Amino acid sequence: QQQVKQSPQSLIVQKGGISIINCAYENTAFDYFPWYQQFPGKGPALLIAIRPDVSEKKEGRFTISFNKSAKQFSLHIMDSQPGDSATYFCAAAGGSNYKLTFGKGTLLTVNP
Amino acid sequence: ETGVTQTPRHLVMGMTNKKSLKCEQHLGHNAMYWYKQSAKKPLELMFVYNFKEQTENNSVPSRFSPECPNSSHLFLHLHTLQPEDSALYLCASSQHRGSNEKLFFGSGTQLSVL
Repeated sequence: QQQVKQSPQSLIVQKGGISIINCAYENTAFDYFPWYQQFPGKGPALLIAIRPDVSEKKEGRFTISFNKSAKQFSLHIMDSQPGDSATYFCAAAGGSNYKLTFGKGTLLTVNP
Repeated sequence: ETGVTQTPRHLVMGMTNKKSLKCEQHLGHNAMYWYKQSAKKPLELMFVYNFKEQTENNSVPSRFSPECPNSSHLFLHLHTLQPEDSALYLCASSQHRGSNEKLFFGSGTQLSVL
């Protein structure tokens, strides 16, 4: 299967809180897991990505946690800010399928 | 800006109209893509071009016709569309066509079919 399941569909967090978005995949051949961030009126932009040879990758306030055995990965946004309010998409690719398979997206709202 | 420019930003067309979406990338990339974004759905890959050659057509109806005259320009020609084709159409580019390639997206064309 090519599906990537993303949850929750929407998330409201207070400023300074931690935002957590989860994704699960089926295809064990996937070996590249990016997260894209999309602001209203803009196209998605790559935020951070991970490969399965590491269990965690951190860039500033953004961290990807990867669990290969569970076939799950998640995005953690520490100290969430109103400027982080956007739609976040997880994706996966690899093996014979070079195409990115996207999740349905999570609308994050960070309240001041 | 991402270096990928799409025009027009908004388009309203009737079911019998013919229109075209344009995409231009200034990044020197070799691969270009058309995606369809509908509410509460994953981004749907429509077409892929690599070095101006179409390498992927994801069972897209023939009322959508892509054209890639060179590595910097991509068009999506539209004719006799249906209301369910209303969506945000995104163009993207990447250095190469590969599974770990970073995609650079344009801001999209919001299409409404009446």
